[in-house]
Amino acid sequence: GAVVSQHPSRVICKSGTSVKIECRSLDFQATTMFWYRQFPKKSLMLMATSNEGSKATYEQGVEKDKFLINHASLTLSTLTVTSAHPEDSSFYICSARTPGTMGEQYFGPGTRLTVT
Amino acid sequence: QKEVEQDPGPLSVPEGAIVSLNCTYSNSAFQYFMWYRQYSRKGPELLMYTYSSGNKEDGRFTAQVDKSSKYISLFIRDSQPSDSATYLCAMSYPTGANSKLTFGKGITLSVRP
Repeated sequence: GAVVSQHPSRVICKSGTSVKIECRSLDFQATTMFWYRQFPKKSLMLMATSNEGSKATYEQGVEKDKFLINHASLTLSTLTVTSAHPEDSSFYICSARTPGTMGEQYFGPGTRLTVT
Repeated sequence: QKEVEQDPGPLSVPEGAIVSLNCTYSNSAFQYFMWYRQYSRKGPELLMYTYSSGNKEDGRFTAQVDKSSKYISLFIRDSQPSDSATYLCAMSYPTGANSKLTFGKGITLSVRP
């Protein structure tokens, strides 16, 4: 299967600072990437859909000014959590969709964010 | 009624057992069906992907789709302790690049040695 990487795998930051998470498709070009959030023992919650070269589409209830998404190339999307607060602590996972109308979605390994 | 319902867990089986995991869905517009496996503190791993009714086999795994009954299943033969994980069913519409996945809640499987 295709490979998606995320960096960093774990980050601890202080309240009020910003954190950037990178998502890369390593062996395919992804015009569409997705960002999810997952709470312990819960299923994945879609935050936004990221399209290369255009603005991200955010799900209802997700603050676009707080969770900035940039999909600058066909292999890289970034999620920046701005002015992080302890309630933003979570497991963030990206996925990348392979090209075509029947594209498969492959997930990254996730980033655990802890805001102190 | 939720769009995708997945059998609640957790599920515990002895090593070597055949495992059956099931999901039902309400929206007949779903056309693509996936099973993901997620180990603790890791991202989901795509196990099976199918878009037609019938069975698809890959090693010890068989995905079954019944579109008339809106029912999908994942069978694991000769289950191993390494199969212990959370299994998520997912499905999507066949429309364009922004097609989002709709997930079941997931079921945690434990295979006892």
